[in-house]
Amino acid sequence: DAKTTQPPSMDCAEGRAANLPCNHSTISGNEYVYWYRQIHSQGPQYIIHGLKNNETNEMASLIITEDRKSSTLILPHATLRDTAVYYCIVRPTGNDYKLSFGAGTTVTVRA
Amino acid sequence: GAGVSQSPSNKVTEKGKDVELRCDPISGHTALYWYRQSLGQGLEFLIYFQGNSAPDKSGLPSDRFSAERTGGSVSTLTIQRTQQEDSAVYLCASSLRREVTGELFFGEGSRLTVL
Repeated sequence: DAKTTQPPSMDCAEGRAANLPCNHSTISGNEYVYWYRQIHSQGPQYIIHGLKNNETNEMASLIITEDRKSSTLILPHATLRDTAVYYCIVRPTGNDYKLSFGAGTTVTVRA
Repeated sequence: GAGVSQSPSNKVTEKGKDVELRCDPISGHTALYWYRQSLGQGLEFLIYFQGNSAPDKSGLPSDRFSAERTGGSVSTLTIQRTQQEDSAVYLCASSLRREVTGELFFGEGSRLTVL
């Protein structure tokens, strides 16, 4: 599996953009980058995914570098409800249903 | 509701007892997954069901763990002779089918405490 590296934690001010980095230097050409988040005491929630183009939806934007070795999840206007653990996951080929959740980044949004 | 439903939400049991955890996936979702999350840890894959195909049980930690999915819908995860190290939150997720997207819809989980 390609593995991901994320900072263990980060703080963000409410109303500001939160930029969450992820390194996936061993990613293969046909592997997607997925982001999930897990709010305390809840199951993980899908946020967004992409292959090589930047993606945007109602929750966030995903910026993938041209060499695909890293990506950034952007929460444009963080709210207190965005406080959660954010997981960057590379979807492996073959056993592509076994999403491997690492430790993620604990994001704390402060008022 | 429209989401993945799990029961019980909390279960406290004594070491050596058997437990059953239930998952009701989203209607129409053919893929169903079980994960386990120990305190402060990431998610650990346990088992995967896809339609009528044989399940992938490669993540089950021991033969005390088993799961079935009846009628392609409801799934039950059974842990026999529970041990303290089985204490964790057991999460179920479903998806339409894996080829389309890796978007999994998770339930709220069943918190198991083995005394």
